[in-house]
Amino acid sequence: EVQLVESGGGLVQPGGSLRLSCAASGFTFSSYSMNWVRQAPGKGLEWVSYISSSSSTIYYADSVKGRFTISRDNAKNSLYLQMNSLRAEDTAVYYCAREDGVDFDYWGQGTLVTVSS
Amino acid sequence: NFMLTQPHSVSESPGKTVTISCTRSSGSIASNYVQWYQQRPGSSPTTVIYEDNQRPSGVPDRFSGSIDSSSNSASLTISGLKTEDEADYYCQSYDSSNHEVVFGGGTKLTVL
Repeated sequence: EVQLVESGGGLVQPGGSLRLSCAASGFTFSSYSMNWVRQAPGKGLEWVSYISSSSSTIYYADSVKGRFTISRDNAKNSLYLQMNSLRAEDTAVYYCAREDGVDFDYWGQGTLVTVSS
Repeated sequence: NFMLTQPHSVSESPGKTVTISCTRSSGSIASNYVQWYQQRPGSSPTTVIYEDNQRPSGVPDRFSGSIDSSSNSASLTISGLKTEDEADYYCQSYDSSNHEVVFGGGTKLTVL
């Protein structure tokens, strides 16, 4: 059974940093591209970042470029999102999602990041 | 960059058919596949349609997807509505120029 479990969310002050993790199991993690998608409270889905299976290709949404860094450790079956210079508008549930072709076919349960003083 | 525009909400009665539209602001809707995700309250999104009109295993055939180049839009049609279909639905596609993933704003489906 495919499982994606996010962790690392919490309350952080504006300008602070946080590192999210996504633990993958039930599939060959190193064969799949992965994404982070976020959802602000009561709002829609917003794509954040993409990383290819080998980490050779990485993309970011303009809203996080220069502040967030996506990475992965295929040996540990884990995906990460380092978030720096956090702003109030970064407050959201952050999901990791497996990408199969063009489809985000599996999503984690999400981890809540709250940026507030 | 382009946007995907969806109606904010739709409602229909059980047993009826509803169609949710997703209009691409620029560039051809046919140039990149469209996916549709269902998100029930308190849950993570799940795919109901991928590659414009393909249903993942386990998704009932009451769900169907299509694209219309004349209106530059994609549509999700749900027939034989059930109360369990009540959820938010999001369309999604890609911007080939920068691999940016684009989500529509979401449509809240009420089955009453």
